[in-house]
Amino acid sequence: ILNVEQSPQSLHVQEGDSTNFTCSFPSSNFYALHWYRWETAKSPEALFVMTLNGDEKKKGRISATLNTKEGYSYLYIKGSQPEDSATYLCAFKGGSQGNLIFGKGTKLSVKP
Amino acid sequence: DAGVIQSPRHEVTEMGQEVTLRCKPISGHNSLFWYRQTMMRGLELLIYFNNNVPIDDSGMPEDRFSAKMPNASFSTLKIQPSEPRDSAVYFCASSLIRGAWYGYTFGSGTRLTVV
Repeated sequence: ILNVEQSPQSLHVQEGDSTNFTCSFPSSNFYALHWYRWETAKSPEALFVMTLNGDEKKKGRISATLNTKEGYSYLYIKGSQPEDSATYLCAFKGGSQGNLIFGKGTKLSVKP
Repeated sequence: DAGVIQSPRHEVTEMGQEVTLRCKPISGHNSLFWYRQTMMRGLELLIYFNNNVPIDDSGMPEDRFSAKMPNASFSTLKIQPSEPRDSAVYFCASSLIRGAWYGYTFGSGTRLTVV
């Protein structure tokens, strides 16, 4: 059974704080790692698709890194804003024919 | 593009009734996924179609669940008979699968309540 673990489960920060959270996944048979942003009452939206060890992706104040050898990815948010409040999901794809296995997410709340 | 369209948005039904959830994927996407989201288990893959053909249905909980994709622009997920433990949000997602380069586009989900 493939396990994708995210930590912490939830996070409360003040506006302006920078924060990061972790996604752990199997280090064998890696194919891709996805990050999604999921706002309450909406559907998950793709943030990043990462495929190479050492990959770094950035979108505005949000960035992500990937270590496929040790099986983890970090998502960073610089200068958090209330509109960043959402659940951040990572998903692991093992093998070209594998399905995306989602973690349970990190729920971020940013207080003004 | 209107995105992935799911209907209905909400469904309340009585135990034992048949429920049909509908999904229209993004035009040109060749893969379609049905997920179920619950507090306990998060997002679980139920079934995956590639070019309208079911590829992996190992996540379908039991025989009461069935899914079809008669053409590239429409899929259904049916539960018959429905049970209270089927209450969840059901998401449909579509993607262009070329390796893993593309993220999935999710619909808005159907919130199912079985009473």
